This record gives sequence, structure tokens and C-alpha cells, in this order.
Amino acid sequence: EAQVTQNPRYLITVTGKKLTVTCSQNMNHEYMSWYRQDPGLGLRQIYYSMNVEVTDKGDVPEGYKVSRKEKRNFPLILESPSPNQTSLYFCASRWTSGSPYNEQFFGPGTRLTVL
Amino acid sequence: AQSVAQPEDQVNVAEGNPLTVKCTYSVSGNPYLFWYVQYPNRGLQFLLKYITGDNLVKGSYGFEAEFNKSQTSFHLKKPSALVSDSALYFCAVNYGNMLTFGGGTRLMVKP
Repeated sequence: EAQVTQNPRYLITVTGKKLTVTCSQNMNHEYMSWYRQDPGLGLRQIYYSMNVEVTDKGDVPEGYKVSRKEKRNFPLILESPSPNQTSLYFCASRWTSGSPYNEQFFGPGTRLTVL
Repeated sequence: AQSVAQPEDQVNVAEGNPLTVKCTYSVSGNPYLFWYVQYPNRGLQFLLKYITGDNLVKGSYGFEAEFNKSQTSFHLKKPSALVSDSALYFCAVNYGNMLTFGGGTRLMVKP
């Protein structure tokens, strides 16, 4: 089954404790991206990657890091989480070939609480 | 910079009635517009998109959207709502390599 998977689905942590949220897709998509969803604000893009070793900032990159060492994986790293990073996080992917405006496939989300 | 506005936090409609979820956008250049739906405890699912061509775009689950360039709008519509359509709907505009979302509209369809 074609899918985007995220782990963990739920995470409660404390301020300053480094964490990684993993994202993997099995559709051979070139493009991958991370979003955070907050009530009333919709989804805001954190980082995206056009392909392996190519990453770029989105609208809200502060406090986050990413890496793209393999095509299928795009982990999100919070090196020193703070309470304002409490949110629902989504990973997404899409093809870039054929059309630059292909729809994105979303993972199930990771609900992060930083105490 | 691009932006998307969804002016209604919630839309209530009775089952069987037509529904409209509103979206307006602001972007320099040609707009590439999307609608996604989010069911409870799920990720977003793609409904439809406008890239070019006909102003009326048909998508999944009987939904359609009307692109209006002069009003910079891309309203989502369905002729007859189902209770199962109740969900959170997001409009988005693609600009370069980024996707900008509106704040979302909760659709409640009552039996």
C-alpha cells in the first residue's frame, strides 16, 4: 500500500530534550515536506526537500532541523524543544516529475506535547 | 507573498442540501489551487486542484470547485451533502516549491 508513515504518533516530552520524528514514504517521491497544524492557523510549512541532500526552509523553520540522506526518509529534529512547539505535525510527499503541481500525500500526523 | 483565506470557521448544512466552502487567495502570477480534507485523527487527503483550463474542477467524493480569477476565489461545492462529508477542509495555494494553507473550515452536515 502506498503510504507515508510517521513515528511516533504521540509524544510527550520536556523542554530541552532532543527528539526526532521520523517520516518515511514508499512511493519513490522526490519531494518531501514537514508541516505543523495549529488551530485557526491551518498548516504551516516547516521545511521541504526537493530530493536527497537538498533541503530548504519553509515559513516556520526556527527551532527545527531536517536531513534527507535517503530518498524515502525525511526526519524532523527538534534539538531543544520548547512549549511553543507543541503542535500536530504532518509529513507529506509528492512526485516532482510530470507537473510541478502534483498533489501531496500526507502521513497520519504526530501529536507532540512539550511540557 | 502568497496567502489563502477561508472566511468561515464552520459551515453547517443539512444532509441533502448543497454546500459551499469559501476560499479566497492572493498570489503573484498564476495561481495553483488545491482543496484537501481532514477526517478526525487522520492526515489530509487530496480532493481536487486547479492548474489551468476549465474554471469548474471536479474532484473526489462528488466535490467540485469553481475558480474565479476576477474575484480571486476558489470555492468548494457539492450539490448534495452527506453526513459523512463532515470534516475539516483546507484550501491551499502552491507557490514555487511551497504550499500555503488557509486556516481551515469545519463542515458539519446534520441528518
